[in-house]
Amino acid sequence: EPEVTQTPSHQVTQMGQEVILRCVPISNHLYFYWYRQILGQKVEFLVSFYNNEISEKSEIFDDQFSVERPDGSNFTLKIRSTKLEDSAMYFCASRPLTGTYEQYFGPGTRLTVT
Amino acid sequence: AQKITQTQPGMFVQEKEAVTLDCTYDTSDPSYGLFWYKQPSSGEMIFLIYQGSYDQQNATEGRYSLNFQKARKSANLVISASQLGDSAMYFCAMRPYAGGTSYGKLTFGQGTILTVHP
Repeated sequence: EPEVTQTPSHQVTQMGQEVILRCVPISNHLYFYWYRQILGQKVEFLVSFYNNEISEKSEIFDDQFSVERPDGSNFTLKIRSTKLEDSAMYFCASRPLTGTYEQYFGPGTRLTVT
Repeated sequence: AQKITQTQPGMFVQEKEAVTLDCTYDTSDPSYGLFWYKQPSSGEMIFLIYQGSYDQQNATEGRYSLNFQKARKSANLVISASQLGDSAMYFCAMRPYAGGTSYGKLTFGQGTILTVHP
């Protein structure tokens, strides 16, 4: 069964450094999402991406964040200058054009900013 | 704006018994979808069940059923015959009408930790 994959599973970085989180969505899906979950808290929407552009973003997704689909398979989230409060689990999700609009989540990348 | 409320931080159930996890929502959208996801201690998000706001019948998926009461704006998850492997965090989530200018972002509740006792 196809699945969303994410790399790395865990990343440790120092405050102020840039990080890139990578995702490979399911191949025939057209909508892509990033969510984050601070430890012990609820999952929060960051951004949605469709047709090679951002379609919607939350107030969390400020100028420090960017997303890109550099080729036909990868979908990346970049944080330019990490802060301590960026420490969280980051989930990538994708969904097809039609259907129940269920989003298929990847296993997540745990980002730790020290 | 959409809002999901899960008022039970933690629930306990005996193995083989049924348990209901509560979820209420608020939205002004005429059409929407409701989801339940399971998050085990390993951290991944596992889709369990979906209910569309215009679906006539309550959704069922194996041991999972969704008790959808539209007038009360509630979408409770019922797990029948609980198993030890059901111990996890459970999130209720909602998406707006996925046509028009909405791209279907999910809004999550705070989650309920379910513990199944042997």
